[in-house]
Amino acid sequence: EADIYQTPRYLVIGTGKKITLECSQTMGHDKMYWYQQDPGMELHLIHYSYGVNSTEKGDLSSESTVSRIRTEHFPLTLESARPSHTSQYLCASSEGGRRTEAFFGQGTRLTVV
Amino acid sequence: EDQVTQSPEALRLQEGESSSLNCSYTVSGLRGLFWYRQDPGKGPEFLFTLYSAGEEKEKERLKATLTKKESFLHITAPKPEDSATYLCASAKTGANNLFFGTGTRLTVIP
Repeated sequence: EADIYQTPRYLVIGTGKKITLECSQTMGHDKMYWYQQDPGMELHLIHYSYGVNSTEKGDLSSESTVSRIRTEHFPLTLESARPSHTSQYLCASSEGGRRTEAFFGQGTRLTVV
Repeated sequence: EDQVTQSPEALRLQEGESSSLNCSYTVSGLRGLFWYRQDPGKGPEFLFTLYSAGEEKEKERLKATLTKKESFLHITAPKPEDSATYLCASAKTGANNLFFGTGTRLTVIP
């Protein structure tokens, strides 16, 4: 069983608020990812990290930022939430090397009103 | 352009009625082909990784196969608890992430 945790599971917040979505993994994986998924649509990579102090933007442009100060922790921050940020945010991690499969958390459903 | 295309978009089966889901890919330098199961409101659950054409993996009622152009997820005698969206994803050499299809939404009717 993959151990990767996201909090909160659901968040409804007003426009202009700053929010941080938490993601932690206990598998010691070096690689971590944030994906965004809208209903009925494919997952799109918005951020990834190959290790501590390493972060890069993904294929889908996002106004969010991430940090990787500890191996196990990869939080995502929105400085000023907007209704266009309403989506499902999924965090994942992978071992790296030949083992490329990623393990996902349960997701955070964000609604900005 | 690299693409992962899944078909059908939705599939309804009677309990016990076997079928296959398709994932066609056009990815140069494929490093791996992945299958995930996703239940509503939850994150994808890893099922299989396939690395080379001809490879097969099995888990309970599910069997994944890979050719040079597509992958199939065969479901034998499905049960209602197999109802979910099944996602296919590819990883290519030198890339940083998995590239996902839009999924097949499977409903198994008792």
